[in-house]
Amino acid sequence: DVKVTQSSRYLVKRTGEKVFLECVQDMDHENMFWYRQDPGLGLRLIYFSYDVKMKEKGDIPEGYSVSREKKERFSLILESASTNQTSMYLCASSSQSRFPGWYEQYFGPGTRLTVT
Amino acid sequence: AQSVTQPDIHITVSEGASLELRCNYSYGATPYLFWYVQSPGQGLQLLLKYFSGDTLVQGIKGFEAEFKRSQSSFNLRKPSVHWSDAAEYFCAVGSNFGNEKLTFGTGTRLTIIP
Repeated sequence: DVKVTQSSRYLVKRTGEKVFLECVQDMDHENMFWYRQDPGLGLRLIYFSYDVKMKEKGDIPEGYSVSREKKERFSLILESASTNQTSMYLCASSSQSRFPGWYEQYFGPGTRLTVT
Repeated sequence: AQSVTQPDIHITVSEGASLELRCNYSYGATPYLFWYVQSPGQGLQLLLKYFSGDTLVQGIKGFEAEFKRSQSSFNLRKPSVHWSDAAEYFCAVGSNFGNEKLTFGTGTRLTIIP
């Protein structure tokens, strides 16, 4: 079974803090994604990566950065957390090895981040 | 740009009743379509997918969906729901130009009553 794990289920941070959200997948997937999920807005893509050290902006990258130093790990960084970044953050991964594998995304359980 | 609309924010059905969740997409070419389910406190799980061919696709947990090009729809159905089907359901569309991203709808929350 594909497993995507996220470092924390719940996180509470203060405004202005630097926040790291970690995601690890164990299926040797090339693609990894970070989404945020808000009521009434569904899932919105923040960043994605299709290879180590490669990244592309999604639909809402402002206020976020990412790091992918190893294939299995994809980190989301909030350089200076703000209250409007309070949300559920979901990590996902998918394979490039065979169509349509890259569309079949496997999700982690999510991190609920509260910024106070 | 591709987009997905799920017109129902919340649906309540009785256990054992049939279910249909609506999904409409906007995309210039033949879309790749997906339904995901999110149980409370969990990540998303893929229920089923459509790429081409037979317009009626079967998924896990007894769900099916029908692609109707003329209506730009990909509605999810189940003939008889179980209490464990209570969850949030997301429809998604992927482009077929080598762009590996999905665009998700806003979700439909399903409540099951005894």
